[in-house]
Amino acid sequence: EAQVTQNPRYLITVTGKKLTVTCSQNMNHEYMSWYRQDPGLGLRQIYYSMNVEVTDKGDVPEGYKVSRKEKRNFPLILESPSPNQTSLYFCASSGTGPQPQHFGDGTRLSIL
Amino acid sequence: AQSVSQHNHHVILSEAASLELGCNYSYGGTVNLFWYVQYPGQHLQLLLKYFSGDPLVKGIKGFEAEFIKSKFSFNLRKPSVQWSDTAEYFCAVIARAAGNKLTFGGGTRVLVKP
Repeated sequence: EAQVTQNPRYLITVTGKKLTVTCSQNMNHEYMSWYRQDPGLGLRQIYYSMNVEVTDKGDVPEGYKVSRKEKRNFPLILESPSPNQTSLYFCASSGTGPQPQHFGDGTRLSIL
Repeated sequence: AQSVSQHNHHVILSEAASLELGCNYSYGGTVNLFWYVQYPGQHLQLLLKYFSGDPLVKGIKGFEAEFIKSKFSFNLRKPSVQWSDTAEYFCAVIARAAGNKLTFGGGTRVLVKP
């Protein structure tokens, strides 16, 4: 079954404590991307990757890092989380271009 | 100003009513256009897309959208909604003028009353 898997689904943590949200896809897709969803703002792209070792900033990259060492994995790293990064995060993948085809189930992060 | 605008934030209607959700974008030149749906508690799914050709695009679940280039619009329609269409709907645009990055609108929450 085609899947994008994110972990964890929920996380409550404190300001400044580094965290990583993992994302893995099993479809051999080239494109992967991260979005955050906030009420009234829709989804805003944080980072995207067109292939292994190729990443680029989206619209709201500040405070986030990504890496793409393998095709299937695209982790999102918050080195020093702050409360304004409290949000719902989605990872997505696509084999046909930048528009997401498959989304993960989301990760709800609360930074206190 | 938001580059992709969905003017209706909330829509409430009854079953069997017709639905039209507005989407306008501000990019000139070549665009690819999408509508996504997010059912309660679920992730986003692609409803339909426009790349080129016939500006009236048919998608899944009885939805369609019309690309009107002169109006920079890509409105979503469904002639007769069901309770199961209760969801949040997002318009999205990939514009060459914006470096081919995908930009979402703010979303429209649709509540269909049984």
